Amino acid sequence: QKEVEQDPGPLSVPEGAIVSLNCTYSNSAFQYFMWYRQYSRKGPELLMYTYSSGNKEDGRFTAQVDKSSKYISLFIRDSQPSDSATYLCAMSGDNYGQNFVFGPGTRLSVLP
Amino acid sequence: NAGVTQTPKFRVLKTGQSMTLLCAQDMNHEYMYWYRQDPGMGLRLIHYSVGEGTTAKGEVPDGYNVSRLKKQNFLLGLESAAPSQTSVYFCASTVNGATEAFFGQGTRLTVV
Repeated sequence: QKEVEQDPGPLSVPEGAIVSLNCTYSNSAFQYFMWYRQYSRKGPELLMYTYSSGNKEDGRFTAQVDKSSKYISLFIRDSQPSDSATYLCAMSGDNYGQNFVFGPGTRLSVLP
Repeated sequence: NAGVTQTPKFRVLKTGQSMTLLCAQDMNHEYMYWYRQDPGMGLRLIHYSVGEGTTAKGEVPDGYNVSRLKKQNFLLGLESAAPSQTSVYFCASTVNGATEAFFGQGTRLTVV
């Protein structure tokens, strides 16, 4: 079993749809949960960052963490064509950078 | 505001050739990382550094060496390139190893 699982997609939705992206993980030591967005031929950039369990909202984006189920989600409301990208979840357990673990990414296409 | 800069952006090598990838960051970050990204595999950590003069192995270190002689630079070397090292390589840096990682734009390496 991989440490972090993520549906690779591709996922295609019409403009304006609500998008749900998910990751599951196996390591209960993870405390920091992140979502990165990666446009084609670019480096990943941080989209959302959450510590421990709970929800965090930033504009059209909401990140949820359920540590009891080892499950994290990213919701995108009113999706736009500019949201078309690959979304990577990432997790870490402490202050040591080697514990960053990334999911394989979900490729999202928002169709106008 | 340059952030993380990788050199070169593209390279084609013949099997057995050597090369060095350069990563430079201007954010005074302590932690720096080298990842490779392959389809369906996500980001895999090659080597990382928690400060000037330090390096450590990540998940897939074989065939690579690194050096961090200056805090702002992290070099990745391939001594004898193999076709299995064809990939996109990303450098990243963080303040403390647990929070936001800033990525470079990537280096596309093809080994023929």
